[in-house]
Amino acid sequence: ETGVTQSPTHLIKTRGQQVTLRCSSQSGHNTVSWYQQALGQGPQFIFQYYREEENGRGNFPPRFSGLQFPNYSSELNVNALELDDSALYLCASSLAKTTGGSPLHFGNGTRLTVT
Amino acid sequence: DQQVKQNSPSLSVQEGRISILNCDYTNSMFDYFLWYKKYPAEGPTFLISISSIKDKNEDGRFTVFLNKSAKHLSLHIVPSQPGDSAVYFCAASDLKTSYDKVIFGPGTSLSVIP
Repeated sequence: ETGVTQSPTHLIKTRGQQVTLRCSSQSGHNTVSWYQQALGQGPQFIFQYYREEENGRGNFPPRFSGLQFPNYSSELNVNALELDDSALYLCASSLAKTTGGSPLHFGNGTRLTVT
Repeated sequence: DQQVKQNSPSLSVQEGRISILNCDYTNSMFDYFLWYKKYPAEGPTFLISISSIKDKNEDGRFTVFLNKSAKHLSLHIVPSQPGDSAVYFCAASDLKTSYDKVIFGPGTSLSVIP
């Protein structure tokens, strides 16, 4: 069973730039979620994708966007980077909600630093 | 507005003793609760969960207790082992929504001293 993999592991960007983070879901999982974890805080829900469409979103501005591909892999795009975007970005895969209470399976994250 | 609270940022326990991690929530719509464990440089790992129709769920050394009237849950680890040293996140979700929005607490760092 292949787990959730994320790339890159670390990234340094300048304020105003754009970034793309990538995620491969655990095999058999059809839903992917993205979370932002700032230092000293718990992960915060950004959005979730199911069947290549965003089906839920947290309190993040539109400059945070995503994609899910037919193989269930996913991308997180952040435009016009701000210093406060510096955080650990976590991708999580799971089975669709219809199966009931399916725990999230997380990757190891991408550490983004905005200078 | 923090809907899931973990008021103890850290906890130290002797090896072999019981570790009790506490969590409070404010949203009465939550009906599914989870605990995740996180080691440095790794993503959170699912540990144990409980549905709101239960008040206790046990899995080996880990037991989660839910008190709905108090909006409180706790994770008991017995006996504690040095490998349990990690950050523990309490999390909650509303299974009635159309998508999985899991709300995490800020975490409690557990140190198990040999």
